[in-house]
Amino acid sequence: DTGVSQNPRHKITKRGQNVTFRCDPISEHNRLYWYRQTLGQGPEFLTYFQNEAQLEKSRLLSDRFSAERPKGSFSTLEIQRTEQGDSAMYLCASSRIAGGFREQFFGPGTRLTVL
Amino acid sequence: AQTVTQSQPEMSVQEAETVTLSCTYDTSESDYYLFWYKQPPSRQMILVIRQEAYKQQNATENRFSVNFQKAAKSFSLKISDSQLGDAAMYFCAYKAGSSNTGKLIFGQGTTLQVKP
Repeated sequence: DTGVSQNPRHKITKRGQNVTFRCDPISEHNRLYWYRQTLGQGPEFLTYFQNEAQLEKSRLLSDRFSAERPKGSFSTLEIQRTEQGDSAMYLCASSRIAGGFREQFFGPGTRLTVL
Repeated sequence: AQTVTQSQPEMSVQEAETVTLSCTYDTSESDYYLFWYKQPPSRQMILVIRQEAYKQQNATENRFSVNFQKAAKSFSLKISDSQLGDAAMYFCAYKAGSSNTGKLIFGQGTTLQVKP
């Protein structure tokens, strides 16, 4: 169990550019979540996958955002035509049921700064 | 819609003392879970403690315990014998039992400073 990993850890980009983040969940975790955390706030749910199926998307996830989880393993979150308001920490979490309970394990996050 | 509120942006405690972090929530559901997560600076968030709403007994995990008041929709975290390593941002979170997604709804967080 190596934990949830996210790459890159930091990303600085110019407004209008596209960016892509990657999340590698804990192996055998069938659920994967993306959250966004702005400065001084708690994380907000963006979307989640069960295996390779994206089953729910928050209204926060505008048309410029897309997420994939091919083959139910790692996931990518792409933001097209970035805006300054996209600056935030993007957190990934994975989970599976163990002992009748599903705990989410979080990665260290990708901090995005849009100039 | 469910909401979680943490009204204390910052708290401080002397090492070895006890501190209580407050959290209130709003929901119309009867089945749900409540959590406290710890987010150390530049490190990933970890689960500290959880409480199932159907359980009357307050959860405890070593130096961490909760005071769950279901009628008042209050869920506070008590940290006893505070240690320097407890310094972090603490988030209260809610998960509806009826939720198929298992998504968490977080409060705004409380930054805990531990003074030596």
